[in-house]
Amino acid sequence: ILNVEQSPQSLHVQEGDSTNFTCSFPSSNFYALHWYRWETAKSPEALFVMTLNGDEKKKGRISATLNTKEGYSYLYIKGSQPEDSATYLCAFAFTRYQKVTFGIGTKLQVIP
Amino acid sequence: GAGVSQSPRYKVTKRGQDVALRCDPISGHVSLYWYRQALGQGPEFLTYFNYEAQQDKSGLPNDRFSAERPEGSISTLTIQRTEQRDSAMYRCASSSETGNTGELFFGEGSRLTVL
Repeated sequence: ILNVEQSPQSLHVQEGDSTNFTCSFPSSNFYALHWYRWETAKSPEALFVMTLNGDEKKKGRISATLNTKEGYSYLYIKGSQPEDSATYLCAFAFTRYQKVTFGIGTKLQVIP
Repeated sequence: GAGVSQSPRYKVTKRGQDVALRCDPISGHVSLYWYRQALGQGPEFLTYFNYEAQQDKSGLPNDRFSAERPEGSISTLTIQRTEQRDSAMYRCASSSETGNTGELFFGEGSRLTVL
């Protein structure tokens, strides 16, 4: 993996279902991983920034884990609600002063 | 200011004209990023600053694009001799930290349309 990859690109779930998606990055170099939530016609908003292997962060029904050795992070949404519908962006940096590079995102649609 | 402010919000220009897009970051934020975002796509890195120093400009597509942040606060992204392919949403983001462990706060963007 040469860059940030996110999967799936899009996802439809029923209201109340829990879901998760993946961000993959080069495991050979790692400094920081960011997750953002982006609603169409608005600006991306930060969810989490993680730097340590094994980091787990939680904000309400949304949580994220980080595995720097194998180069992935998972974002989990428990009991999805229609207002969770958005694109979830992962962003990555190799070193402290390196640019923050975004993936293409996972577009989530929660069906009432 | 309370948030990242970008101006103009919308800019329509004719091919060949120069445009300047302005970003006013959150007060005290030391890092400032410029991204370009196509419809439905994640932000594409253009350049970023720590204080007034341009740390990385590797994402600027060609020499028609330039950016400055002379006093470490407001930044201007300039596109010379615009082309239709430059049409996009240009987003600015700022962070309180010089490294990249600080979350990015995004402005509402400047939508550029080149006719």
